Amino acid sequence: AAGVIQSPRHLIKEKRETATLKCYPIPRHDTVYWYQQGPGQDPQFLISFYEKMQSDKGSIPDRFSAQQFSDYHSELNMSSLELGDSALYFCASSLKAAPSYGYTFGSGTRLTVV
Amino acid sequence: AQTVTQSQPEMSVQEAETVTLSCTYDTSESDYYLFWYKQPPSRQMILVIRQEAYKQQNATENRFSVNFQKAAKSFSLKISDSQLGDAAMYFCAYKKTSGSRLTFGEGTQLTVNP
Repeated sequence: AAGVIQSPRHLIKEKRETATLKCYPIPRHDTVYWYQQGPGQDPQFLISFYEKMQSDKGSIPDRFSAQQFSDYHSELNMSSLELGDSALYFCASSLKAAPSYGYTFGSGTRLTVV
Repeated sequence: AQTVTQSQPEMSVQEAETVTLSCTYDTSESDYYLFWYKQPPSRQMILVIRQEAYKQQNATENRFSVNFQKAAKSFSLKISDSQLGDAAMYFCAYKKTSGSRLTFGEGTQLTVNP
């Protein structure tokens, strides 16, 4: 079965640089979520999109932006990177009509800011 | 705001034995969903089991079962016949019926001893 695809798997950036993370949800899933997981921490919700519109917003820094495109893939854009942005970034997708099924997570993008 | 608490940062169990991981949550909602996710060293987030709050029957998935106590706002995970592959970080998570984000607990690191 198709899963949630995230790219790249690993990314190394310098401070003040920009990074773009991509997420391709499971086909026919209409909602995409982004989470940030720091070392030894639980995942923190950043932002979500339903049918290409922002549906919920969490603790996403103003330096970050995201969008969902017509083909339902999503991109998380991160600018003016800081050392504290180093984390594992998860994308997940779900079908809004089936809330009991939870989310399917991608394998994550490990971002290291040096 | 909803909160999820896992009071056991670490747990260990002998192979083939049973272990229970605790989770409590706080919400004013009457309908919601609860989940347990497993995160092995690969860092992939894997759904283990889910429970709809309106269902009184506890969910079961093979060796995994939950004890859902709605009045006490408790949602514990029991792993029977523990296997070495069960070693992972386990996260309890909450989702509002009408909302979109998953709220995670702090996680419990489970070690399985041979």
